[in-house]
Formats: sequence, structure tokens, C-alpha cells
Amino acid sequence: ELKVEQNPLFLSMQEGKNYTIYCNYSTTSDRLYWYRQDPGKSLESLFVLLSNGAVKQEGRLMASLDTKARLSTLHITAAVHDLSATYFCAVEAGGTYKYIFGTGTRLKVLA
Amino acid sequence: DTGVSQNPRHKITKRGQNVTFRCDPISEHNRLYWYRQTLGQGPEFLTYFQNEAQLEKSRLLSDRFSAERPKGSFSTLEIQRTEQGDSAMYLCASSFGQGSNEKLFFGSGTQLSVL
Repeated sequence: ELKVEQNPLFLSMQEGKNYTIYCNYSTTSDRLYWYRQDPGKSLESLFVLLSNGAVKQEGRLMASLDTKARLSTLHITAAVHDLSATYFCAVEAGGTYKYIFGTGTRLKVLA
Repeated sequence: DTGVSQNPRHKITKRGQNVTFRCDPISEHNRLYWYRQTLGQGPEFLTYFQNEAQLEKSRLLSDRFSAERPKGSFSTLEIQRTEQGDSAMYLCASSFGQGSNEKLFFGSGTQLSVL
């Protein structure tokens, strides 16, 4: 059964700093998503990663996928307060269109 | 495109009562998902449909939970004989397509409180 783990669970960082969130998953998958959730809100899609070595970037966020290592990273560059949110990765369970979410990383960017 | 719509937004019920939630997906989205989320946790998969067919249901889901998607349009999620442990946010999502075109669009959720 597919399991998805993220670390860290909580991240408090200063504005202007860089950091990386990690998403590990337990079984083979070629499709991984990153979502953002603000408090009391629903989930907003950030990135879709479909193949080994895929890299997507938007603004201060960059996501990558290594299917051999079963690892995705979400890198934050020069963090700003507006990035404060909870970030989830979601992995497709082997061609089924069923998505399993990670535990989430709660990010707080301090001014 | 009006997005995924869920009703009601909030539901308070007493233990033992039945509740039903509705989800209207984005039109022409053929896949529809139900997830449950508790505070501080990631969304937990409950079930999903492709058109009107329910393709998978979580083994964690008790028989008190049932979902339907008649005619492949809107969906309902019913919880019978609610328990306090059912208190959570119930999220609906829909999707369409394959590859890079396929991503989940989430509704705002239904917050269930069982007293």
C-alpha cells in the first residue's frame, strides 16, 4: 500500500532564507502533485510532476521529482511572508488515478 | 467554469443521526473524489468515481459511509449513524484528462461536527 511521508512537519523560517521540503513515497509512481492550503481554505494545485527528473518552477517555488529514489522536493528561495501555508505532496497509486496525500508541511515565514 | 461546489459548508449533527453531503464537480470532469481531512492532517482518500462508476473505496471506510454519483454528474456522500470520530472536513475534488492536463480541483469542503 502506498505511503507518503513529508518532512519536516513544521518549518519556521526567516524571510529571505532558502529551504527544502521533502516528500518520500513507498511504491512506484510516475505522477506527483504539490498543493498549497491556507488556514480554513481548500487546496490549491501548485505543480504536476510526471516523469523522472521533472522540474517545475513558479516564482520562489521549485519542485523536482526523482522517481528512482521515490523522492520529490519543494525548494523555497528567498522566502516571503506570503508563502506561509501548509504544503502537501500527493502521489498517484500506480496508474489508478487514486491520489495519496502526505502529512503536510506547515510553513511559517517570519518577517 | 464555476469550480467544484460543495453543500452544505457546515453541518452540525447529533451522534447517531444520518447526514448527506453534495458535491457538484466542474462540468465535463469525469473523475470525482471524496477525501476527509482532520485538523493538522493531510487529506485521507475515501473513494472515487470515473463517470458514474465507483472505482475504489478506502478499506478504512466503514459500511456506514456510502457515496453515489448518478448519471456521472453530481455526487452525494452519506454517513449513517454518525459518530464523534466522523467529525472532519469532507473534501470533494474533480479532474479530467491525462498526463499534464490531469490535476485535482478541490471544493471548499463540508465541515462536519458530530456532538
